[in-house]
Amino acid sequence: RKEVEQDPGPFNVPEGATVAFNCTYSNSASQSFFWYRQDCRKEPKLLMSVYSSGNEDGRFTAQLNRASQYISLLIRDSKLSDSATYLCVVRFYAGKSTFGDGTTLTVKP
Amino acid sequence: DTAVSQTPKYLVTQMGNDKSIKCEQNLGHDTMYWYKQDSKKFLKIMFSYNNKELIINETVPNRFSPKSPDKAHLNLHINSLELGDSAVYFCASSQGGNTKVGNTDTQYFGPGTRLTVL
Repeated sequence: RKEVEQDPGPFNVPEGATVAFNCTYSNSASQSFFWYRQDCRKEPKLLMSVYSSGNEDGRFTAQLNRASQYISLLIRDSKLSDSATYLCVVRFYAGKSTFGDGTTLTVKP
Repeated sequence: DTAVSQTPKYLVTQMGNDKSIKCEQNLGHDTMYWYKQDSKKFLKIMFSYNNKELIINETVPNRFSPKSPDKAHLNLHINSLELGDSAVYFCASSQGGNTKVGNTDTQYFGPGTRLTVL
């Protein structure tokens, strides 16, 4: 079993749609959780950290479920500019983070 | 100012050659990383250094040797390049240390070095 698993997609949605991604992790001792975004031929960039109580940043909402060992990302009112690959990241200890293989989102007009 | 920089951005070379990629961060971070992203876009950690000390080596061939002259620099030297080494190599840095209030150890990535081995 992979340490971090994501549905690879692709997710193809129309503008304005709501889309949700899930990510599961295998190590129950994981400490920190993140969603990164990677545009084509660019470096990954932090989208948001995921906190135990859940957190929201504009149209983006992240949730953590430690009991079931998964995190989620919800994007509301999708924009064309949201098209990218979304990477789930789980940090086990200092210096050791594992990236999921990514979920590809394409938002269409 | 660029937070994490890498050179070169593109590297095209022949099989069997030896090459180096350089990385520098000006964020004052303690931990630096090298990742490889292959043609399938999977991002895999290769090495992690904390304060110039190697802390993670993820079953990478011995042909790959990281070197950290100081905590702001982490270079990657590759000997006897093979076709399968063609990929994008990303350097990253993070604050490092154990998680505590205000430190989630977020990683910041460089722009990547696209290596093509012919």
